[in-house]
Amino acid sequence: DQQVKQNSPSLSVQEGRISILNCDYTNSMFDYFLWYKKYPAEGPTFLISISSIKDKNEDGRFTVFLNKSAKHLSLHIVPSQPGDSAVYFCAASAGGNEKLTFGTGTRLTIIP
Amino acid sequence: DVKVTQSSRYLVKRTGEKVFLECVQDMDHENMFWYRQDPGLGLRLIYFSYDVKMKEKGDIPEGYSVSREKKERFSLILESASTNQTSMYLCASSYPTGLGKNIQYFGAGTRLSVL
Repeated sequence: DQQVKQNSPSLSVQEGRISILNCDYTNSMFDYFLWYKKYPAEGPTFLISISSIKDKNEDGRFTVFLNKSAKHLSLHIVPSQPGDSAVYFCAASAGGNEKLTFGTGTRLTIIP
Repeated sequence: DVKVTQSSRYLVKRTGEKVFLECVQDMDHENMFWYRQDPGLGLRLIYFSYDVKMKEKGDIPEGYSVSREKKERFSLILESASTNQTSMYLCASSYPTGLGKNIQYFGAGTRLSVL
């Protein structure tokens, strides 16, 4: 039972363009969402988060959008850079729970 | 700077061996977690500890146990390793906010191969 889904296993984007990574969830109790970035042979690192009381959060080149009615969130990276090539995981937590539920990940490749 | 250290980057063990994976954090975090990462399955929670000597099963605890005798150290134990436990193991820690708005900090991972 995959409560957090990333339906695109991989995505290729040209350098300088926008990268859009998508994530869907099924548990309506989720109220906090995070994106992590993972390079090979390294642990995931926190990128950006959003609370369910917001529909957008921005941090530099990274923006996360939340559509609660659709149970969908997306991560926009503008402009995309070669160093953005990594696996991106979305994660969610519910009602003050300290545990996170992760998606399956999307491998982003930025083409120079 | 936040630091979560996993004692081994690579391990090769034989079926039936007892395996210990160690994780240490220097941030005085109450919460510590063990995940495994497999292709197409993402990160799955094995065990979670919210205080010294306190633990809670995650989504896939079968075949694993944990130990947390000190706040900074969280060990994952494979009592009798099997080939289906070949995986990347990730340790994480976080500070409890009580609001669920916690950010978990991860170690670099241990790639375990069971032959």
